[in-house]
Amino acid sequence: EAGVAQSPRYKIIEKRQSVAFWCNPISGHATLYWYQQILGQGPKLLIQFQNNGVVDDSQLPKDRFSAERLKGVDSTLKIQPAKLEDSAVYLCASSLVGVHEQYFGPGTRLTVT
Amino acid sequence: DAKTTQPPSMDCAEGRAANLPCNHSTISGNEYVYWYRQIHSQGPQYIIHGLKNNETNEMASLIITEDRKSSTLILPHATLRDTAVYYCIVRSPRKGTGANSKLTFGKGITLSVRP
Repeated sequence: EAGVAQSPRYKIIEKRQSVAFWCNPISGHATLYWYQQILGQGPKLLIQFQNNGVVDDSQLPKDRFSAERLKGVDSTLKIQPAKLEDSAVYLCASSLVGVHEQYFGPGTRLTVT
Repeated sequence: DAKTTQPPSMDCAEGRAANLPCNHSTISGNEYVYWYRQIHSQGPQYIIHGLKNNETNEMASLIITEDRKSSTLILPHATLRDTAVYYCIVRSPRKGTGANSKLTFGKGITLSVRP
């Protein structure tokens, strides 16, 4: 079974530029999550989708971050414009509805200079 | 969700049991205890979860105290590959909408397995 795929693995941009991350969850997983992990901290949930609907985006900085999952499969997370404090690893995870285990991708390491 | 408290770090010798403690004194009756781990430069990996009873799987055992205010993750024979950050998380059951509830990660405990 293929795992959660993310791309790119690394990205370096200057502040005020835009960036997008892509995630393809495990086939059949209706729930998709985006997390932000700043160095030395645990992952923080940014947004949770169930199919193509948003379940929880309470911690998403909506003035600069956006996410979509148009067909209920893969998802894109965008930052526009980026700030220095957005430097972090962005993790995507997926799960079946009603199942306890979340499966995480390898993450995208973003460096904003 | 209830908060958890873990020591920042611990170490153990390879081949010995690693016992990782977690306090969750404000846990509610319907909240589960989860453990995930994160090996360097990888995404977190699910280990085990439990509600009241002790649980065991191929990776680890989870011991939850009778009052549910604390728990211990046991890796029976630690190897060098078990060196990682281990997160203890208390999680509510599913939302009223039926959607999965979220995981709230703390800083975790860094386990170092020495040769």
